[in-house]
Amino acid sequence: EPEVTQTPSHQVTQMGQEVILRCVPISNHLYFYWYRQILGQKVEFLVSFYNNEISEKSEIFDDQFSVERPDGSNFTLKIRSTKLEDSAMYFCASKGPGNQPQHFGDGTRLSIL
Amino acid sequence: KQEVTQIPAALSVPEGENLVLNCSFTDSAIYNLQWFRQDPGKGLTSLLLIQSSQREQTSGRLNASLDKSSGRSTLYIAASQPGDSATYLCAAITNFGNEKLTFGTGTRLTIIP
Repeated sequence: EPEVTQTPSHQVTQMGQEVILRCVPISNHLYFYWYRQILGQKVEFLVSFYNNEISEKSEIFDDQFSVERPDGSNFTLKIRSTKLEDSAMYFCASKGPGNQPQHFGDGTRLSIL
Repeated sequence: KQEVTQIPAALSVPEGENLVLNCSFTDSAIYNLQWFRQDPGKGLTSLLLIQSSQREQTSGRLNASLDKSSGRSTLYIAASQPGDSATYLCAAITNFGNEKLTFGTGTRLTIIP
């Protein structure tokens, strides 16, 4: 069964450094998402992306965050200058056309030191 | 603003029992409701998607129901097995076009052999 893949599985970065989280969505999917889960808290929506542009973003997704689909297969989340509070599990999800479920990757655990 | 609640936070039942997990949401203008399973340190596995026009969905031993008027969804697991032990999350999409999932905090289920 096709799946969403995320790399790396664990990223350790110094505060203030830039980090790029990578995702390969399911190949025929058109809608892409990033969510995050701080340890012990709810999964929170960050951003949705369709037709090469952001369709919605949450208040968490400030100017430090950006997303890109640089080619036909990858979907990336960049955090420009990381803060301690950015430490979390980041999940990528994708969805096919129509009323379909979102499918999630296994996540990238981001640890900011 | 949609708020999703899951009670109880944790549940332990003996193997073989049938059980029900509860999910409540505040905004009844719900478009979809999706149930997920999360194993420790892992991503989210989609279990069932219920569209607003549907009352329930079934997959194997799982049955999910949706009652928009009361703001509730339930996930019924029949003949529970130790492999069902995981955290179960429900998530709501409130409006078509607004594809973001609003998650509950989850119920951590333990099946006792």
